[in-house]
Amino acid sequence: AQSVTQLDSQVPVFEEAPVELRCNYSSSVSVYLFWYVQYPNQGLQLLLKYLSGSTLVKGINGFEAEFNKSQTSFHLRKPSVHISDTAEYFCAVETGTASKLTFGTGTRLQVTL
Amino acid sequence: GAVVSQHPSRVICKSGTSVKIECRSLDFQATTMFWYRQFPKKSLMLMATSNEGSKATYEQGVEKDKFLINHASLTLSTLTVTSAHPEDSSFYICSATLLRSHNEQFFGPGTRLTVL
Repeated sequence: AQSVTQLDSQVPVFEEAPVELRCNYSSSVSVYLFWYVQYPNQGLQLLLKYLSGSTLVKGINGFEAEFNKSQTSFHLRKPSVHISDTAEYFCAVETGTASKLTFGTGTRLQVTL
Repeated sequence: GAVVSQHPSRVICKSGTSVKIECRSLDFQATTMFWYRQFPKKSLMLMATSNEGSKATYEQGVEKDKFLINHASLTLSTLTVTSAHPEDSSFYICSATLLRSHNEQFFGPGTRLTVL
């Protein structure tokens, strides 16, 4: 069975500063990896995904993530955040079985002036 | 494209009543729909996987008689919370997978259920 760990429950950061949200996974088989963003009282929106190929994945809103198989990580990064990036971010893994996703516990990104 | 809607967005009901939540894929046919439950400040917990025309597959620990799922068409799945109790209060989110779109789930906006 797979699992996803997001060690940081909250990440405070000033506007225009860079940010990294950490995600580690465990799985005995090949995985597909995703980052989703959730704004208050809304569903999830896909930021980016890794299925295969280049390990550096670029997504929407200026976010990118790098798949590191040896470290079983898929950290999310943005070089300069905006106030509007304040939201909950979820990392998820899928092993290809019936497209079922396993989510991490989420990281609250709080951007302030 | 690939929009998923949920109705209602918010519902308050009395303990003991049943509540139905609809999940629709508006502009595509979904092979599979998923139902999640999210507790405050917590992650999403998969409740069940729903395929059109067949019985839903429930995750371990989810009561199938309490959370009835019907997937009547390729664009509609419903979740009925039967005999609701306050502990069923939660944020329920559905998602749908798109034919020809490998591995991506499109999420609905969620339904906030409050049981008094």
